[in-house]
Amino acid sequence: ETVLTQSPGTLSLSPGEKATLSCRPSQDSSISNLAWYQQRPGQAPRLLIYDASTRATGIPDRFSGDWSGTDFTLTIKRLEPEDFAVYYCHQYGSAHRFIFGPGTKVEVK
Amino acid sequence: QVQLVESGGGVVQPGTSLRLSCAASGFTFSTHGMHWVRQAPGKGLEWVAIIWHDGGAQYYGDSVRGRFTISRDNTKNTLYLQMNSLRAEDTAMYYCARGIVGPGYYFDYWGQGTLVTVSS
Repeated sequence: ETVLTQSPGTLSLSPGEKATLSCRPSQDSSISNLAWYQQRPGQAPRLLIYDASTRATGIPDRFSGDWSGTDFTLTIKRLEPEDFAVYYCHQYGSAHRFIFGPGTKVEVK
Repeated sequence: QVQLVESGGGVVQPGTSLRLSCAASGFTFSTHGMHWVRQAPGKGLEWVAIIWHDGGAQYYGDSVRGRFTISRDNTKNTLYLQMNSLRAEDTAMYYCARGIVGPGYYFDYWGQGTLVTVSS
């Protein structure tokens, strides 16, 4: 069964800095099979990126997703105050399983 | 606009049952697979179950299989989760989410969640 490993566990940055988050699947899968979600404290998750690199409706263009050949990455070009949150990657696994990574917390340095 | 509103959470004792509901609006409910995803306090997201758009198939995460049942009523635009034999480790916020199949698979809309606490 596929496991998603997210790194780092916590990212401490200042507003205006660039954030790069990684998600590595334990098994090969389609390079489109990856979504990213943002969860702010006390809120439900919100879809940011789907099909690895497509921004969801209403998501600012400072968010981007990519595939490096080994890892999926979520990049936030310049952190805004509202971007400090937890980010989860998600993949459809085999046998109708849906897998989430453990999350990366982006916190204010 | 798409809305998903969960209800039915509460405090229950171990070994008892609870049924959650998710009322959907703003889209054609009967054409989408639907999911339950949960989040224990201070923890990450855990997928719980999926039901196909027509209710024709259901699949479950390992931790709930055999105890939880997902169902839907497309005439009422409502998703359900029947939870039996509840355990302390089932304590979590339960979210319903709409599934979208594309090249990948993703959850494009989420409800605000309903909190289930299992405690004696």
